[in-house]
Amino acid sequence: DTGVSQDPRHKITKRGQNVTFRCDPISEHNRLYWYRQTLGQGPEFLTYFQNEAQLEKSRLLSDRFSAERPKGSFSTLEIQRTEQGDSAMYLCASSLVDGIEQYFGPGTRLTVT
Amino acid sequence: GQSLEQPSEVTAVEGAIVQINCTYQTSGFYGLSWYQQHDGGAPTFLSYNALDGLEETGRFSSFLSRSDSYGYLLLQELQMKDSASYFCAVRDGAGFQKLVFGTGTRLLVSP
Repeated sequence: DTGVSQDPRHKITKRGQNVTFRCDPISEHNRLYWYRQTLGQGPEFLTYFQNEAQLEKSRLLSDRFSAERPKGSFSTLEIQRTEQGDSAMYLCASSLVDGIEQYFGPGTRLTVT
Repeated sequence: GQSLEQPSEVTAVEGAIVQINCTYQTSGFYGLSWYQQHDGGAPTFLSYNALDGLEETGRFSSFLSRSDSYGYLLLQELQMKDSASYFCAVRDGAGFQKLVFGTGTRLLVSP
């Protein structure tokens, strides 16, 4: 499968715990994006990488959220001290340099109890 | 900031034509995209308009009028498998490529 993959697909955690998600983009894509989607809403931008550089981070992203993309390949998104409001689908996408067509992964559904 | 408005739901029958409208307000504009998302699935790219006019891709067409801050997605010869949510999205910034999505239109196709 040469598409975008995400792991895990589902995560249930207790409030206050830390969680980490992984995204493997399409290999030739140098741009990688993280979005969050809640039920009935469109995806909401979180952060964006070009190669290993994190170029933009949403103002909505608190300092409990951190993302990395070491060596410009896979990316991780960590949420520290999770809150119930963090429950959502976390989507990763990648694209070529023009960014026009973004390919989305299947997402990681996070449930914070 | 940016905001995009779409109808929340549209219903149609198989074989029909349906138009999903999108109006946007943005501080900068670098193109309007459309994505399809089936329940439980990932968004998939349908089309992109950077300039005014109609872009056609098979049964799907997308239109943009930058002067009206308006676009639409036209779906022809509807099939049951077209039942999904459709999102318009604007590119925010020429250098940065994040997408700002609308709240989506749920299309229900009936036999």
